[in-house]
Amino acid sequence: GESVGLHLPTLSVQEGDNSIINCAYSNSASDYFIWYKQESGKGPQFIIDIRSNMDKRQGQRVTVLLNKTVKHLSLQIAATQPGDSAVYFCAEKRNSGNTPLVFGKGTRLSVIA
Amino acid sequence: DADVTQTPRNRITKTGKRIMLECSQTKGHDRMYWYRQDPGLGLQLIYYSFDVKDINKGEISDGYSVSRQAQAKFSLSLESAIPNQTALYFCATSDFTSGRPQETQYFGPGTRLLVL
Repeated sequence: GESVGLHLPTLSVQEGDNSIINCAYSNSASDYFIWYKQESGKGPQFIIDIRSNMDKRQGQRVTVLLNKTVKHLSLQIAATQPGDSAVYFCAEKRNSGNTPLVFGKGTRLSVIA
Repeated sequence: DADVTQTPRNRITKTGKRIMLECSQTKGHDRMYWYRQDPGLGLQLIYYSFDVKDINKGEISDGYSVSRQAQAKFSLSLESAIPNQTALYFCATSDFTSGRPQETQYFGPGTRLLVL
């Protein structure tokens, strides 16, 4: 079906290690993708985005990779810190201006100090 | 994000009551959304509005209604609240009029609703 899903619902990572959060999408017409971070009791916050004409985009300590061949999106967090503990959502935008973002179910990242 | 505000932040109500959650934004965005989030789960789209005269149902609109009073205001009503509507509710906005193909949504802080 048309959905954005996640391979791992929970992920535990040692502080200082790199984290990789994965997301699969099913609609090949999607042309824009966003990663959001949601801390406990707060609204989702934009982290990084990528358009379908790109394979990789880097931000501060975060990198998003897009593999259109297998419809896979990943978020890499370098040197994971306790403040990175949160739920991470991927979202996709279909190739139409008149459709809202479609959100995945989320992955909870727990950083072990 | 202080640009998107929601009131109230917390609300306790009883089964059968009608309640309204309000959302205001100062971002100048044309599009607004209401989502529901149950504990440990993802975001479900309730309603969305692409401009003042446009209202669209999302995945779970039954039991809810909305009003887009102005470009900056989008309210969500529970006509007759029931316990399984206990959840966290988020408002979001996005900007489509700029013409940019990217359309990031920006979220408010949420309203925690408990229906007894």
